[in-house]
Amino acid sequence: SAVISQKPSRDICQRGTSLTIQCQVDSQVTMMFWYRQQPGQSLTLIATANQGSEATYESGFVIDKFPISRPNLTFSTLTVSNMSPEDSSIYLCSVLSSGVSYDTQYFGPGTRLTVL
Amino acid sequence: GNSVTQMEGPVTLSEEAFLTINCTYTATGYPSLFWYVQYPGEGLQLLLKATKADDKGSNKGFEATYRKETTSFHLEKGSVQVSDSAVYFCALRNAGNMLTFGGGTRLMVKP
Repeated sequence: SAVISQKPSRDICQRGTSLTIQCQVDSQVTMMFWYRQQPGQSLTLIATANQGSEATYESGFVIDKFPISRPNLTFSTLTVSNMSPEDSSIYLCSVLSSGVSYDTQYFGPGTRLTVL
Repeated sequence: GNSVTQMEGPVTLSEEAFLTINCTYTATGYPSLFWYVQYPGEGLQLLLKATKADDKGSNKGFEATYRKETTSFHLEKGSVQVSDSAVYFCALRNAGNMLTFGGGTRLMVKP
């Protein structure tokens, strides 16, 4: 299985500011994803991070609000821009391994964001 | 499209009780099915999976069998512990590589 770390683990931010979340994987992976989990809710896919090209966003999410980078096969960042209290959520990085368990998706520990 | 439906929680049990969390799905093709667990304050961990009909996934005393005829993947455990208290998510993935999650079921186990 892939080991995924995220930074920061949590943060409290002021309205109107931006936060960049980092995701690091201990091995090269084919696909990386970013999810949002609002309080008490299930997970919603924000986008698929594509290596060397623009991310693929799901309906309701746009690049200006959630810019994503993926410079290589082990690292990605998600920025939450111009934050409002509605952005308070857990943001999770997830990867699809290219190894034996190719159909299994693994998740990072999450970044718990509170916007005041 | 794909969808996953779980029983609503919270499910409250006493320690050593039998657990069933129902999960049914709608999907095109032949999806892989998963159960993930989220302990308080943590991210998601893969609990078990099954990739084809009649497969049984198992881990840490939990089991789930892929039932294509009833499109179900119910999670069971014979004797729950307080440490099993968490939120459990059923999910599927088809050939499109997109995970579809159920709404999650919170389990609370009392001593």
